[in-house]
Amino acid sequence: ELKVEQNPLFLSMQEGKNYTIYCNYSTTSDRLYWYRQDPGKSLESLFVLLSNGAVKQEGRLMASLDTKARLSTLHITAAVHDLSATYFCAVDKVGNEKLTFGTGTRLTIIP
Amino acid sequence: EAQVTQNPRYLITVTGKKLTVTCSQNMNHEYMSWYRQDPGLGLRQIYYSMNVEVTDKGDVPEGYKVSRKEKRNFPLILESPSPNQTSLYFCASSKGWDMNTEAFFGQGTRLTVV
Repeated sequence: ELKVEQNPLFLSMQEGKNYTIYCNYSTTSDRLYWYRQDPGKSLESLFVLLSNGAVKQEGRLMASLDTKARLSTLHITAAVHDLSATYFCAVDKVGNEKLTFGTGTRLTIIP
Repeated sequence: EAQVTQNPRYLITVTGKKLTVTCSQNMNHEYMSWYRQDPGLGLRQIYYSMNVEVTDKGDVPEGYKVSRKEKRNFPLILESPSPNQTSLYFCASSKGWDMNTEAFFGQGTRLTVV
């Protein structure tokens, strides 16, 4: 059974600092996704990572994938308040036809 | 505007009273699915549909039904709701499972069963 673990579950950080959210998954996966969810809102797609060594960046967020370690990271550079949200990673596997989500990381950026 | 639309956004109901949450997408997506979100558990898949008239169970299908009579619609049916189905529900759609595209999510339906 595919399991996805994120850590930390909660993260408070000051504006301007750097930090990393980790996403581990238990079995071989074909694709890894990062989503953002603002309070009371839906999920917004951030990144889709398809292959080992894939790195994608958008603004202050950068996601990477290491399929051998079964690990993805979401790195936040020089955090700003607007990045406060809950971040989810999710993985799927061809033939499995479903996304398996991590429990999410609630990120709070403190001015 | 490309979107996934769920209705209602909020619903309070009583145990045993049948209800339907509608989901509609305007992107001609083949794949649609339902998730429930509970604190500390992330999102868990309830049912999914690969195309019209093709549905299958996800991780937590008990107590739910779905149908896919048209490509754009994928309603979630609770025949006899119970308090443990109190949750935040999301519908999602994507082009197709093998096309490496991300899912688009609806705005969510917060259901309370008393």
